[in-house]
Amino acid sequence: AQSVTQPDIHITVSEGASLELRCNYSYGATPYLFWYVQSPGQGLQLLLKYFSGDTLVQGIKGFEAEFKRSQSSFNLRKPSVHWSDAAEYFCAVGQGQGFSFIFGKGTRLLVKP
Amino acid sequence: KAGVTQTPRYLIKTRGQQVTLSCSPISGHRSVSWYQQTPGQGLQFLFEYFSETQRNKGNFPGRFSGRQFSNSRSEMNVSTLELGDSALYLCASSSHGVAGGQEQYFGPGTRLTVT
Repeated sequence: AQSVTQPDIHITVSEGASLELRCNYSYGATPYLFWYVQSPGQGLQLLLKYFSGDTLVQGIKGFEAEFKRSQSSFNLRKPSVHWSDAAEYFCAVGQGQGFSFIFGKGTRLLVKP
Repeated sequence: KAGVTQTPRYLIKTRGQQVTLSCSPISGHRSVSWYQQTPGQGLQFLFEYFSETQRNKGNFPGRFSGRQFSNSRSEMNVSTLELGDSALYLCASSSHGVAGGQEQYFGPGTRLTVT
């Protein structure tokens, strides 16, 4: 069965430090991959997506993610974190058959001043 | 373009009651999906509607139902509410929804509390 794993429930980084959030997926074919961010009390905002082609994708707010087929990973990175990046981040796989997303459990990012 | 809107934003109901939530997708989008978000289970897919037809359904009991109107607006209904139905219900729209590759745009959610 398809699945998405975000190994880190919480991550704390200092403002200005680099960030990497991990995402591993299990899917038979090349998946459609997404990262979303959710601020408290808000819906989800799309950060970036990978469908095909270049395995390094750029998103909004200075985020990027790299698709690594050999590792079944799609990790999210940012070179310098800002306090406003504190939120919960979700990795998701879009299934090719039908239309539904499978979300990871999320990683809550805390930013220290 | 206006984003996805959901009404009401907050709702408090009593066990055994029923509730209807509404979602208006982005103009021109024909696919609407519903998700339940809870601290324990995370984001779980409820169902997806495309052009007024339910196309996919998640693993939820029959108490959860939905429909989509000709203008693509969607409603979700939960009957015989249980305490465990307390959650944030998110609606998402996409332009085609034909394959998993279509990105979804989410509304702010409806926070349902069952007492």
